[in-house]
Amino acid sequence: AQSVTQLGSHVSVSEGALVLLRCNYSSSVPPYLFWYVQYPNQGLQLLLKYTSAATLVKGINGFEAEFKKSETSFHLTKPSAHMSDAAEYFCAVSHTGNQFYFGTGTSLTVIP
Amino acid sequence: NAGVMQNPRHLVRRRGQEARLRCSPMKGHSHVYWYRQLPEEGLKFMVYLQKENIIDESGMPKERFSAEFPKEGPSILRIQQVVRGDSAAYFCASSPRASGRSTGELFFGEGSRLTVL
Repeated sequence: AQSVTQLGSHVSVSEGALVLLRCNYSSSVPPYLFWYVQYPNQGLQLLLKYTSAATLVKGINGFEAEFKKSETSFHLTKPSAHMSDAAEYFCAVSHTGNQFYFGTGTSLTVIP
Repeated sequence: NAGVMQNPRHLVRRRGQEARLRCSPMKGHSHVYWYRQLPEEGLKFMVYLQKENIIDESGMPKERFSAEFPKEGPSILRIQQVVRGDSAAYFCASSPRASGRSTGELFFGEGSRLTVL
């Protein structure tokens, strides 16, 4: 069985500070991992994905995530938060591509 | 190059009525997924379809909910005899294929927000 746990449903950071959003997965085999962002009243947009190539994945808008098999983690980071980063972030895992499991989301607030 | 199109964006129904939500996948995509989003609960998988086939409906409630993806036309999520608990945002996503480990990401529509009075 596969599942995703996002620690912290709400995260607040100051503008310019480091963003760290946590995601841990459980999977019996190496999975595909994804981070999506959702702005208010919109659908989800892909930020980045891990597909068993490089463990450090760079995405759009300055975000990146590192796949750590030993920790079963895929945390999302950005060195310097911008006001426009305020949104809901979802981690997702897939193995076969037939099923995508999403975490419950983390709401990011950026404080000016 | 249109993305995933969902309509209506907003739908209001009274208890007992039917709700029909439509989803047109991206051009060239033959796989459609439906998810339901409730506040503070993230996205819950409902059903995965290919043209004329339901591949996985393990997330669909056993009663009142059905989905189809006909050979021609959009995918439709149908909710019969709606109840207040059905109020949620329903998202459709599409992908070009889903075979083995050669999967890509899902492309999402902007959602249909159902309110049941």
